[in-house]
Amino acid sequence: DAMVIQNPRYQVTQFGKPVTLSCSQTLNHNVMYWYQQKSSQAPKLLFHYYDKDFNNEADTPDNFQSRRPNTSFCFLDIRSPGLGDAAMYLCATSRDYPSGRVLNEQFFGPGTRLTVL
Amino acid sequence: GESVGLHLPTLSVQEGDNSIINCAYSNSASDYFIWYKQESGKGPQFIIDIRSNMDKRQGQRVTVLLNKTVKHLSLQIAATQPGDSAVYFCAENPTGGFKTIFGAGTRLFVKA
Repeated sequence: DAMVIQNPRYQVTQFGKPVTLSCSQTLNHNVMYWYQQKSSQAPKLLFHYYDKDFNNEADTPDNFQSRRPNTSFCFLDIRSPGLGDAAMYLCATSRDYPSGRVLNEQFFGPGTRLTVL
Repeated sequence: GESVGLHLPTLSVQEGDNSIINCAYSNSASDYFIWYKQESGKGPQFIIDIRSNMDKRQGQRVTVLLNKTVKHLSLQIAATQPGDSAVYFCAENPTGGFKTIFGAGTRLFVKA
C-alpha cells in the first residue's frame, strides 16, 4: 500500500546533540511537510517542500532544518535540541493536480516522538 | 492573525448517538476546509473536506456543514461508534496553496 513512513517511531537524544528524523513516501507526491505537535496541541507547520523548493514558516526556529534529496525522502534536522523541542514530529505529503488547482488533502505518517534528555 | 479554533475541547457521547463537533475560523478568504481524525499514537487522517462554494458535504456517516456568514464549520458523525474516539481537528487552507492551519482539536469520547 502507498504510504508515508517515518523512522524511527521513537527517538531519544541529549540536550544539544544533533538529531535527524526521516520520512519517506511511496505516494509520489510532490509536496512534503514537517509538523511539530506537542501534547494536546494541534500540529504546527515547520516548513514544506514543493518539489525541490523549500518553504520555511516565518516562526520556525533556525535550529530546525530540512533536506529533500529526492521525491521520496525528506529529513528533519534539529541542530541543537532543547528541552522545548520534545514533541511528536509529523511528516505529511500532498499533491497538486495537473490543472494547477491544489487539493490540499494531506497524508500523514505515524510520527516520530522525540524525547530530549 | 489567522486562526482556526474549536468551541469545545472535549465531547462525550453515548454509543449510537450523533456527535457534532464545532469549529470557528477567522479568515474569510479561506476557500478550503478539512476535518482530520487523530487516534492516539497516530498521525492525523483525512475525514472529509469542503470548499467554500458549498454549504454541506456528506460522506459515510459524516457530514460537514459550512456557514460562511458566521465563519463556522461543523462535523456531524452519525451513530457514533467506539472506533470514533479520537481527537478531531478542523483545518483551514487560507490561500488555496499548500499551507494548512490546524485548529486546537476536540477530543471525542464514546461511551459504551
